[in-house]
Amino acid sequence: EDKVVQSPLSLVVHEGDTVTLNCSYEVTNFRSLLWYKQEKKAPTFLFMLTSSGIEKKSGRLSSILDKKELFSILNITATQTGDSAIYLCAVEETSGSRLTFGEGTQLTVNP
Amino acid sequence: ETGVTQTPRHLVMGMTNKKSLKCEQHLGHNAMYWYKQSAKKPLELMFVYNFKEQTENNSVPSRFSPECPNSSHLFLHLHTLQPEDSALYLCASSQGGAVEKLFFGSGTQLSVL
Repeated sequence: EDKVVQSPLSLVVHEGDTVTLNCSYEVTNFRSLLWYKQEKKAPTFLFMLTSSGIEKKSGRLSSILDKKELFSILNITATQTGDSAIYLCAVEETSGSRLTFGEGTQLTVNP
Repeated sequence: ETGVTQTPRHLVMGMTNKKSLKCEQHLGHNAMYWYKQSAKKPLELMFVYNFKEQTENNSVPSRFSPECPNSSHLFLHLHTLQPEDSALYLCASSQGGAVEKLFFGSGTQLSVL
């Protein structure tokens, strides 16, 4: 059975801190790994990673995939209170229209 | 706004009630999904529709009944639910069943008493 494990499950930091969120996975036929940010209710897309070692960046957020060790990290530098959210990791298989999600990391950034 | 609208935002129902959740997407997508998000559990896929045809039913109990009259609308009909069905129900859409970029609605927070 496919499995996605995120750590930590929750994290509290101060504004300006840098955080690293982790996602490890076990998937039979890996196609891609995705990160979503869930503020309030609707998850919104952040990154899609398909190749090892290639960093994706968007402002203060960046992510990288290691397909050999089966994990990904999401980095957020100079955190702001607006970064407070649940960060979801999901893995897509080649076999069909299915994403397997992790439990998420609840990030709280205090002023 | 993600272009995916869900109503109602909150719903409280008894175990003997019948209610429906509605989802509408304004993105021109042809695939729509229902996900369930319970407290401290991963998002779980429930149903997938491609071009109005159901292509996946992830072993969901029959008390949940989906309906997709066209590519823009998706319903989830609920009857005789259990308290453990209380959760956030999220609708999503994508183009061509490409899950790599799902657009989610804001969900319906359901409480079953």
